[in-house]
Amino acid sequence: DQQVKQNSPSLSVQEGRISILNCDYTNSMFDYFLWYKKYPAEGPTFLISISSIKDKNEDGRFTVFLNKSAKHLSLHIVPSQPGDSAVYFCAASSLQGGSEKLVFGKGTKLTVNP
Amino acid sequence: EPEVTQTPSHQVTQMGQEVILRCVPISNHLYFYWYRQILGQKVEFLVSFYNNEISEKSEIFDDQFSVERPDGSNFTLKIRSTKLEDSAMYFCASSLAGTGVYEQYFGPGTRLTVT
Repeated sequence: DQQVKQNSPSLSVQEGRISILNCDYTNSMFDYFLWYKKYPAEGPTFLISISSIKDKNEDGRFTVFLNKSAKHLSLHIVPSQPGDSAVYFCAASSLQGGSEKLVFGKGTKLTVNP
Repeated sequence: EPEVTQTPSHQVTQMGQEVILRCVPISNHLYFYWYRQILGQKVEFLVSFYNNEISEKSEIFDDQFSVERPDGSNFTLKIRSTKLEDSAMYFCASSLAGTGVYEQYFGPGTRLTVT
C-alpha cells in the first residue's frame, strides 16, 4: 500500500546546482506534508513542511512545492552543497482526518558532488 | 537546541525475551510517537500517545507491544516476547501538535536485533 511514493531511489547533482526531489501521493485525505533528511545511523531530521492550503513554502535554500490536483510535491534545494548528501524522505499526514501519523515514502538518496 | 534522545543505541536480545526501548522526548512537546524501519524498508508508524493514552496505533502494534510514560520525561516502548521480525530501527518522535505546529522531531533510534 504505497500511499506515498518516491519513484527515484537516487539522485546525483553537482555542487551549486539545484536538486529537485519528487514525491507523489494517492490518499486525497492527506493535508500536511513534510520532508525529512536522514544520515546513516541517525534519525530523520525535519527539514520543511507544507499545509495543503498552500502551494509553496520556502526556508532558506529549501523550497517545497505542492500541486494538489496532481497529488505531487517536490523539494528544491538551491544551491546544493556536499553536506546535503543524505536520504530524503517525503511524509504525509491527514490532520483534518484526525490522524497525526506520518506515512513515509521509501526515500531518495541524494549525492551532491563537489 | 532541544532534541529527542533514545537509549540504548543498540539492543541485542534473544527471541521470546522482553525488551524496553526508552525515549526522552523534547520537554514541552505534547504528542509522542514510535516508528520503526526494517532494513531496506520504509519508516512505519507504530503508535501515537497523547494525554497519557494511545491516540492511534497501526496494525503492527499488536498485543505484544505497549507504551508508557512512567514519569514526566520518559516514554517507553515494550515488546513482550520478541520475534525475529521485530529486528529493526525503532525511532521515537515528539511534536507540539495541537498548537498549529505539527512537525515531528525524531530521536537517533535504537537498533533492535533479535537472534
